[in-house]
Amino acid sequence: DGGITQSPKYLFRKEGQNVTLSCEQNLNHDAMYWYRQDPGQGLRLIYYSQIVNDFQKGDIAEGYSVSREKKESFPLTVTSAQKNPTAFYLCASSIGSFKASRVYNEQFFGPGTRLTVL
Amino acid sequence: GNSVTQMEGPVTLSEEAFLTINCTYTATGYPSLFWYVQYPGEGLQLLLKATKADDKGSNKGFEATYRKETTSFHLEKGSVQVSDSAVYFCALPGGSYNQGGKLIFGQGTELSVKP
Repeated sequence: DGGITQSPKYLFRKEGQNVTLSCEQNLNHDAMYWYRQDPGQGLRLIYYSQIVNDFQKGDIAEGYSVSREKKESFPLTVTSAQKNPTAFYLCASSIGSFKASRVYNEQFFGPGTRLTVL
Repeated sequence: GNSVTQMEGPVTLSEEAFLTINCTYTATGYPSLFWYVQYPGEGLQLLLKATKADDKGSNKGFEATYRKETTSFHLEKGSVQVSDSAVYFCALPGGSYNQGGKLIFGQGTELSVKP
């Protein structure tokens, strides 16, 4: 089955530690995204990538880093510089604006990773 | 840039009641519009979409019509079930065509359906 997987589902981190969240897709999508969701709030964009080896900052990139070495993978690292990292992290992918006509294609989401800082 | 506003929750309804969740938007041109649903502890799933004015998106008994006159995309369902309890998000593209296909999400509206 095609889809997006995120691992782990739950992650615990001690203060001062970096941690990496995995996101893999087998949908052959060019674009991938990372969002952060806090209780009772909408989604905020952290980073996005339209193509391999290229990515851009979203609205709340400080304290996070990403890489896009393969089309299928877009890992997110939450660094110790992120002051309040406890949240639900969602990865998404889409065909990509380069391939869309005038219509944006929808984003497909993974199941999410819940990160808790102890 | 584009923006979206949706009604605040939580919304609590009895089973078989009529549901409306309001969504209005501000955008350049006529972007596609989306409704996503998030069940507890899960990621988001696309519920329905509309790609041009006057289009009606529908899925699982839910409907929404793209109204350019009122810049709205309200979500409706004639008879809700307990299984519809979830958070619903209205969304649209973040900006110009070449801005990476970003989506802008509303704050989400939590729906709770009681038996």
